Amino acid sequence: NAGVTQTPKFRILKIGQSMTLQCTQDMNHNYMYWYRQDPGMGLKLIYYSVGAGITDKGEVPNGYNVSRSTTEDFPLRLELAAPSQTSVYFCASSYAEKGGYTFGSGTRLTVV
Amino acid sequence: KNQVEQSPQSLIILEGKNCTLQCNYTVSPFSNLRWYKQDTGRGPVSLTIMTFSENTKSNGRYTATLDADTKQSSLHITASQLSDSASYICVVSVNTPLVFGKGTRLSVIA
Repeated sequence: NAGVTQTPKFRILKIGQSMTLQCTQDMNHNYMYWYRQDPGMGLKLIYYSVGAGITDKGEVPNGYNVSRSTTEDFPLRLELAAPSQTSVYFCASSYAEKGGYTFGSGTRLTVV
Repeated sequence: KNQVEQSPQSLIILEGKNCTLQCNYTVSPFSNLRWYKQDTGRGPVSLTIMTFSENTKSNGRYTATLDADTKQSSLHITASQLSDSASYICVVSVNTPLVFGKGTRLSVIA
């Protein structure tokens, strides 16, 4: 079972460049989430979606955008990369808001 | 402010020994409390989920306890194995977003 798949696993960006982090899940989960994990810190929610066509901001949405055109896919877009966006990004999904989360293996992003 | 504090920050134990990790939270109102295991370079994996009415929950060698009155939880690992080396994260659910602790880094050595 694939679960939650994230691509790429690693990426180096220059300041001002843009990129899209891909996330897809094959469990037919309605809820999907994007988190960032900075060294020594807890995960912080960037954006989340409760179903196709619906997205909402989390705790740290500035500098990011998302879309949810299908149940399976939830890409995260960085428009103007900044060094403060250097982090590990995790996508997750769940069958219900208060249910267990399944996380992807992460994307390690460095902005230089 | 909703917070989740974990202790210790890091811990080193010998293979075969038991250990207990602590989690204190100030999140209110409270829906459920989760423990995750995160191997280096991987995403978190769920160990247990407890509602406020549950006092204990086990998953193999992992046993989580919850005291909703004192807002404390613990994760007990029995007969540790080298593969238990990871970060253990306490997460409290109110509504979206979840509130994540910073984790306890456990190293099990031979």
